[in-house]
Amino acid sequence: DGGITQSPKYLFRKEGQNVTLSCEQNLNHDAMYWYRQDPGQGLRLIYYSQIVNDFQKGDIAEGYSVSREKKESFPLTVTSAQKNPTAFYLCASSIDGDRGPTIGEAFFGQGTRLTVV
Amino acid sequence: ILNVEQSPQSLHVQEGDSTNFTCSFPSSNFYALHWYRWETAKSPEALFVMTLNGDEKKKGRISATLNTKEGYSYLYIKGSQPEDSATYLCASTTGGYQKVTFGIGTKLQVIP
Repeated sequence: DGGITQSPKYLFRKEGQNVTLSCEQNLNHDAMYWYRQDPGQGLRLIYYSQIVNDFQKGDIAEGYSVSREKKESFPLTVTSAQKNPTAFYLCASSIDGDRGPTIGEAFFGQGTRLTVV
Repeated sequence: ILNVEQSPQSLHVQEGDSTNFTCSFPSSNFYALHWYRWETAKSPEALFVMTLNGDEKKKGRISATLNTKEGYSYLYIKGSQPEDSATYLCASTTGGYQKVTFGIGTKLQVIP
């Protein structure tokens, strides 16, 4: 079955550590996105990628990094520079790779809940 | 309106009741309006995407309307069922590079 998979579902990080969240899709979608959700807030865009080997900063990119070496994969690294990383992270993909973060018919993963301990 | 606002934030209805909620968004540089349904422990699923003023979309008992001039969209659920319980997110796409902004969502609980 086609879909988008995020792992792990729960992640605990010590202060000062970098952690990487995985996002894989087998939908042959060009565009992929990372969002963050905090309590009482909507989803906020961290990074997006419209094509392999290219990605753009979203609204809250500071303290995060991404790579897009393969069409299927868009991992997100939460670095030690991210001051408040505890949040719920959602990855999404869509076929509209040439229209920026427009999402269109978007598919979402099930999310990763990151907690700093 | 600068952000995407959804109201109410939560809603409890009895099974069989019809209900509706609102998404308000910036009307300038509008490109598209999306509705998603997000059940607990699952991924958000796309319900509708609307682009034209006056658009109406329907999927079973759920329908949505769009007014781009005044910047709002309504989502209607007719004869609510317990399986409709979920958070309903709207997202507005605006601007030349098509920035997407999500609302907080409306959490619907249908009581059997």
